[in-house]
Amino acid sequence: NAGVTQTPKFQVLKTGQSMTLQCAQDMNHNSMYWYRQDPGMGLRLIYYSASEGTTDKGEVPNGYNVSRLNKREFSLRLESAAPSQTSVYFCASSEGLLQGARGNTIYFGEGSWLTVV
Amino acid sequence: KNQVEQSPQSLIILEGKNCTLQCNYTVSPFSNLRWYKQDTGRGPVSLTIMTFSENTKSNGRYTATLDADTKQSSLHITASQLSDSASYICVVSGPYNTDKLIFGTGTRLQVFP
Repeated sequence: NAGVTQTPKFQVLKTGQSMTLQCAQDMNHNSMYWYRQDPGMGLRLIYYSASEGTTDKGEVPNGYNVSRLNKREFSLRLESAAPSQTSVYFCASSEGLLQGARGNTIYFGEGSWLTVV
Repeated sequence: KNQVEQSPQSLIILEGKNCTLQCNYTVSPFSNLRWYKQDTGRGPVSLTIMTFSENTKSNGRYTATLDADTKQSSLHITASQLSDSASYICVVSGPYNTDKLIFGTGTRLQVFP
């Protein structure tokens, strides 16, 4: 089972370049997320999409844009990469709400290592 | 500020031994708490999810406990295996109307033969 698939796995960018991280899930989940993970810090939410056609900002949205292309796909774009965006990026998905007694499981992709020089 | 703090930061144990990882949180209101395992170079994988009304939940050799009164959780690993070497991340659901997760920085566990 593929689960959550993200590409590319590794990427090196020069400051000012743009790129798009692609993500797709095959679990028919409604909600999708983009997180970044930096050393010594917990995962931080960049953007999320609660359902197809909607997107919302997370904790650290500056410098990023997202597109929920359809129910399966959720892409993250860096318009003008900066060294501060060097990080590991994780795409994730869940069937629905993360809150409450239902507490839907969130499934993560394998990560994309991005270095901006 | 809502926070999730884990201890210890790192831990080394011998194969076959038990260990307990700690998580303290200040998130309020709280609705559920999760433990994730993250192998080096991989994405986090869910181990357990507990709501505020649950005290314990097991997943094989992993047992999570929750004390919502003291805002503490622990993850107990029994009869450790080399494959348990990973980071273990405590995650708490944030205020209800935001549907956000707040992640701890993790405990790095190394199991040696």
